[in-house]
Amino acid sequence: DADVTQTPRNRITKTGKRIMLECSQTKGHDRMYWYRQDPGLGLRLIYYSFDVKDINKGEISDGYSVSRQAQAKFSLSLESAIPNQTALYFCATRKTGGTDTQYFGPGTRLTVL
Amino acid sequence: GQSLEQPSEVTAVEGAIVQINCTYQTSGFYGLSWYQQHDGGAPTFLSYNALDGLEETGRFSSFLSRSDSYGYLLLQELQMKDSASYFCAVGGAAGNKLTFGGGTRVLVKP
Repeated sequence: DADVTQTPRNRITKTGKRIMLECSQTKGHDRMYWYRQDPGLGLRLIYYSFDVKDINKGEISDGYSVSRQAQAKFSLSLESAIPNQTALYFCATRKTGGTDTQYFGPGTRLTVL
Repeated sequence: GQSLEQPSEVTAVEGAIVQINCTYQTSGFYGLSWYQQHDGGAPTFLSYNALDGLEETGRFSSFLSRSDSYGYLLLQELQMKDSASYFCAVGGAAGNKLTFGGGTRVLVKP
């Protein structure tokens, strides 16, 4: 079984709809992250969380919100989706201490029409 | 803030050696990481440098010079399966989060 899972893997929605992307991990890591990747570009950080009660904005948080329901679950919501939020979204986890190594989920491809 | 620069694309033949450079500007530095991403896949960790010098992991090596704000990833004995995008990433103070470069697409030809 995969250590970091994301659902759904693909989603097509319309402008103005509310969308939730979910991430679960079995690695026992305390830190979780949401990134966005646009074609030909690197990953940009949307939100990150160090534990259930510690959530922080990344560089592109506008238009997004998150919820850390448990140590193993971190959800990303688009309150009112717009076409320029069409992208590939990745969740990642990391254990406090040690190196910066992050472990990524398989990604969710989101298309907003 | 933090910014990283790396070449957008590199093409090489099987068996060759490729070096991907990464220069960075950061307000805090915790380490330089490299990730590999195949088309349609997730980024996967390759290597990490916190101190100056060379780290070797099989066919891949990574180098860091903190004084020059520079690092590179060296891919040796290139194989077709090495065709992928490679990202450098810098961890900020206390390694709270990573900032990624735009990625270098490596195309390996027969």
